[in-house]
Parts: sequence; C-alpha cells; structure tokens
Amino acid sequence: QSVLTQPPSVSGAPGQRVTISCTGSSSNIGAGYDVHWYQHLPGTAPKLLIFGNSNRPSGVPDRFSGSKSGTSASLAITGLQAEDEADYYCQSYDRSLSDWVFGGGTKLTVL
Amino acid sequence: QVQLQESGPGLVKPSETLSLTCTVSGGSISGYYWSWIRQPPGKGLEWIGYIYYSGNTNYNPSLKSRVTISADTSKNQFSLKLSSVTAADTAVYYCARLLMTTVTPYFDYWGQGTLVTVSS
Repeated sequence: QSVLTQPPSVSGAPGQRVTISCTGSSSNIGAGYDVHWYQHLPGTAPKLLIFGNSNRPSGVPDRFSGSKSGTSASLAITGLQAEDEADYYCQSYDRSLSDWVFGGGTKLTVL
Repeated sequence: QVQLQESGPGLVKPSETLSLTCTVSGGSISGYYWSWIRQPPGKGLEWIGYIYYSGNTNYNPSLKSRVTISADTSKNQFSLKLSSVTAADTAVYYCARLLMTTVTPYFDYWGQGTLVTVSS
C-alpha cells in the first residue's frame, strides 16, 4: 500500500486532456512538502516530468503541468499524444516515516 | 547528459547478500547525492537509501538493518548491498541521482533498472 494514492489507470483520446491525482496526508503533502512527478515507460529509465509541484525540467513539453492544494496534487496532460502512454508516479517526503514516498503509479492509456 | 546504469546478479539465493553497482557517465558523482529505489512486481516504488559522494548515508528505516550503500569516486560508481534477502526483496532495482537543493528533494536522473530475483 503506497503512502501517496493515485488512480490505477486513466485514459483519453488523442488531443484530449487528462488529469492524474495524488492524494497524501498531513505528514507529507499537507505538511508543505513539494510533489514531483515521473513518467515511466517499462524497460526504460523513469523520467522527471515535474518538480516542485509545477516546474518542468528543460525539454518537457508545456502540455504537462502540475499543481498542488492541501493534501493533494495533480498532473494534467493536454493535447494527448500516443507517446504519452506510460506509467506516471508522484513523489514527496513524509516526515513521520522519515522517508521519500511515492504514489502507486497511474497507467495512462491513449485510446 | 548524465546517464546511470545498474549492474549485478539477476538471481540471488535466500539469506544471501544482494549486490548491485551503479555506474554514472556524463558527469561526476562528486558533489551529489545518489540513491537506490526498488519496485517489487506489481507494487509501487520504495526508496532504499542514499549516499553523498563523500560517504554520508541515510537509509529507509524499514531496511536500515540490512542495507549498505557505498561510493567509489575513482570509478564514478556507487553500490548497494542488501543482506539476508528473502523473496520479498525480489524487485526491479533503480539507481538515481537525488537533488537535495530544494525543500523536498527529488530524483532527476534514473537508471533503467535491473530485475533481481531472490530464489533458490
């Protein structure tokens, strides 16, 4: 059971917008810790997608955006493309566990 | 572009020690923190621990008694040892660079991962 909760799967048609939620608690996201997001295609290295809740590393398209409110965060992907089909993970820090924590991952399917 | 590559045995016997090495290319390990993360089949990601290039370490409390992470700046590598393994330690093991310069550190470069199976 992951400390951060994500939906197991989301889907959308090409060109559509999807969002992936990441729900935590008062000991992690709600405690003021940032949320980061990773994109992972199986068999490849996970890729940093969003850091510090809403910042994109160089090279990440602006179709990807992140936000945080209270004990939750969200990743939004607009203008869905086939290449966006991957697993997405959120990550934060938990002060009770003294541990970097991850969401269980969300599989995005582009229909 | 920093690249990381995990290497080591893909099969370890129960009660033995799992040993993996991460080789960093495209940049030096000096000046940075380096981490190990794992993902058991069908489960989420679990942080194992990190090492600063100079040797300071920090481990996941749940694994602390069995984990040792070390670094070799001359080889630009860092390594993981996990002792007394059981089937529950079967997982894909990733190495990653940990950026500690923010309120909440994050992993900006990852290896592609290596599957380690614990079985007799």
